[in-house]
This record gives sequence, C-alpha cells and structure tokens, in this order.
Amino acid sequence: GENVEQHPSTLSVQEGDSAVIKCTYSDSASNYFPWYKQELGKGPQLIIDIRSNVGEKKDQRIAVTLNKTAKHFSLHITETQPEDSAVYFCAASGDTGFQKLVFGTGTRLLVSP
Amino acid sequence: GAVVSQHPSWVICKSGTSVKIECRSLDFQATTMFWYRQFPKQSLMLMATSNEGSKATYEQGVEKDKFLINHASLTLSTLTVTSAHPEDSSFYICSAKGEGTDTQYFGPGTRLTVL
Repeated sequence: GENVEQHPSTLSVQEGDSAVIKCTYSDSASNYFPWYKQELGKGPQLIIDIRSNVGEKKDQRIAVTLNKTAKHFSLHITETQPEDSAVYFCAASGDTGFQKLVFGTGTRLLVSP
Repeated sequence: GAVVSQHPSWVICKSGTSVKIECRSLDFQATTMFWYRQFPKQSLMLMATSNEGSKATYEQGVEKDKFLINHASLTLSTLTVTSAHPEDSSFYICSAKGEGTDTQYFGPGTRLTVL
C-alpha cells in the first residue's frame, strides 16, 4: 500500500521568511496530493491540492510542486505570518477503492514575529 | 461551500457506555464519508470508509462491532463507539467527498474522553 513520508517534523521561521515542507510517496499510481492545515483542537483544513497531470500550482502565498519521477511533492509558503503557525499534513491518494487518503506524519510550523 | 459539521464537539462518558457522533455535509451531497481518529501530536489514522446506503469498510485492526458506522443519507453519517473504555479516548474526525471528486472536506472533530 501507499506510504507517505513528511519532513521536517518541526519548522521554525521568522515572520516574512519562506517555509518549505517536503513529502515523498511510494505508490506510483497515486494521482492526487492535497495539503491540509490543522490548528490546535480543530479539524484539518484543505489549503491546496495538486493532481498528477500538473507540476506546480499556486494560490497567493502558497504553492505546491510535484515531481512524479522522484515521487515527491512540496508545500511552499512565502512571506510567512504568525497565523500560519499550525500543523501541516500532506496526503496522497489514487484511483483505487474509495480514493482513501494516506497522510504524512505532519509538520509543526512555528512562525515567530 | 463544502462545509462539514460534527456533533458533539466534545463528549465525556463513563466506561462501558456508548457514544454516538454525527457527521453532516451541509452544502453538498457526500457519497463517501471517512472516519479518522487522531491521538495527541500524531497524524490522522483512517478507521473506516462509508458509502451512502451500504456497509462501511473498516481498516485493518479496527473492530467493526465496537465502532458502528451508519451512512443513512447523502448528508449524514454516524459513528457509535460501543462499550467505550478509557483507551478509546481520542479526537475523532470525519471527512466527506462528493461523487466523482477526490477532494475530502473535514469536520471540526469530536473529542471523546472516557472516564
């Protein structure tokens, strides 16, 4: 089955800096890669996603890149703000079954003012 | 759009009792709903997948007789934790997706504490 690894587990940056979180997946059949932001005590919130027919997607300060050959994808946050502080999860899914998501282990991002 | 609600947001119960958690898609029809549990500082672990009108599919190691799932309509799924024990204390989160889509929208979660 699919396995998703995520790095780093924690990331501390200064306000205004960029943050990059990386994930690798094992199943070459996976074709959908969402990123979720989870604040303490809340459910995950979808912030951006990418499908395998696209190499990069951007939404304001957030971008995701996908390298299908290397089977890895990354989340890029520019001009970080204290409110970006949260735990970020990557995930992967394919066309089989119910398109279940397999999650990475999470990255705790702390943005200091 | 794509709002998912859960009720209750938190619940405390005594050991041996049963607890029901509701998950509703408020503005779309959820043909598939998923139930996860999350322990502190850990990732989300999928428990089961349910499609409207059919039996749920449980992940390996999840007891189907303990975690009863009912997906009665296109907007409602329920998870019942039967004969709850302290080790069932966790954060339970549902997600929902519509037909023909791969995007899952998550509810706010339910914190269960079993005394």
